[in-house]
Amino acid sequence: ETGVTQSPTHLIKTRGQQVTLRCSSQSGHNTVSWYQQALGQGPQFIFQYYREEENGRGNFPPRFSGLQFPNYSSELNVNALELDDSALYLCASRPWGAGGELFFGEGSRLTVL
Amino acid sequence: AQSVTQLDSHVSVSEGTPVLLRCNYSSSYSPSLFWYVQHPNKGLQLLLKYTSAATLVKGINGFEAEFKKSETSFHLTKPSAHMSDAAEYFCVVSAHNAGNNRKLIWGLGTSLAVNP
Repeated sequence: ETGVTQSPTHLIKTRGQQVTLRCSSQSGHNTVSWYQQALGQGPQFIFQYYREEENGRGNFPPRFSGLQFPNYSSELNVNALELDDSALYLCASRPWGAGGELFFGEGSRLTVL
Repeated sequence: AQSVTQLDSHVSVSEGTPVLLRCNYSSSYSPSLFWYVQHPNKGLQLLLKYTSAATLVKGINGFEAEFKKSETSFHLTKPSAHMSDAAEYFCVVSAHNAGNNRKLIWGLGTSLAVNP
């Protein structure tokens, strides 16, 4: 059984640029959520995808957007990067309707200069 | 409304001594509760979960937690700390949204240091 995988693991961008982060969910998991974790902070919920549609969103501006594909993999896109977007971005998957047990990838660390 | 409070931001113990990480919750419904662990520069891993079955829940790596409804608490314990337990620990409560979608509410985390 393959776990949640994320790419890239690290990347550096400059202010104003755009970034795309990718996530492959665990086998059989049709629900993917994305979290932002700033240094020394807890995870902050960005949004969740189910059946290729956004299904729940945290307090993040529209420049944070996503996609889910038919194979349940997902992308997180961030436009017009700001310095405060520097963080670890975590992807988590689970079967829809399951309890709150999430399976996390190891994250993509984004640095915005 | 649901909320979760981790009462200690940092806990330091000596190797071989007991660990206690405290978590209180607030929930309008019967909650599901979780503890996640995050080792440095790693993703999050589920330690254990409570979902209205036995109130004493055993997890991985010797950790356990007891759900106490009267105290609205879900404290994490381990009888004997190991150096590898040094990590960040998050208490999480799960609440239903519309459409049977579960919303997770995260505590701010407790950093556990284990001294030799």
